[in-house]
Amino acid sequence: DQQVKQNSPSLSVQEGRISILNCDYTNSMFDYFLWYKKYPAEGPTFLISISSIKDKNEDGRFTVFLNKSAKHLSLHIVPSQPGDSAVYFCAAKRNTGTASKLTFGTGTRLQVTL
Amino acid sequence: NAGVTQTPKFRVLKTGQSMTLLCAQDMNHEYMYWYRQDPGMGLRLIHYSVGEGTTAKGEVPDGYNVSRLKKQNFLLGLESAAPSQTSVYFCASSRGQGGNQPQHFGDGTRLSIL
Repeated sequence: DQQVKQNSPSLSVQEGRISILNCDYTNSMFDYFLWYKKYPAEGPTFLISISSIKDKNEDGRFTVFLNKSAKHLSLHIVPSQPGDSAVYFCAAKRNTGTASKLTFGTGTRLQVTL
Repeated sequence: NAGVTQTPKFRVLKTGQSMTLLCAQDMNHEYMYWYRQDPGMGLRLIHYSVGEGTTAKGEVPDGYNVSRLKKQNFLLGLESAAPSQTSVYFCASSRGQGGNQPQHFGDGTRLSIL
């Protein structure tokens, strides 16, 4: 049962345009959502997060939107740059009493073209 | 800025062999985690630790053991390697459990079991 889904395996966007990466979840108990970025042969790097009590969080070119009623979140990158080309993972956090755990989506590969 | 360091980066084992993957962090983080990443899947939690001397099972713990004898180190052991354990293994650490205390990842260990 995949609780966090990224239905688009890949996305290609022109430099300077907006990139929109989507993520859906099924578990209402998630209290925080995070986006990680991963380059080949490197570990994931934290990008931005949002609490379940908010609907938007912005950090420079990156904005995450959360729609709780639809159980959907999205990451917007504006403007997209070639260095943004990477795999983006959506992750959801849930407190279990002893420790919080992250559930990851399968990732979306973003290609920013010149 | 070392952050999270994983040793080794690559390893090839024969079925039935044992080995230990080492993770070291220099950020004085309390929490440490071991994940595996397989093609077409998100990162899955194997084991985690909420502090020195503690360990707990994650989502896919079978076939693995862990130890956290020192705060800065988290070891992942394979007692009898199986081809199904061929994967990329990521270690992570975090200061706390809050969503604003994200996990920091190492660059991974690529393990092949023949």
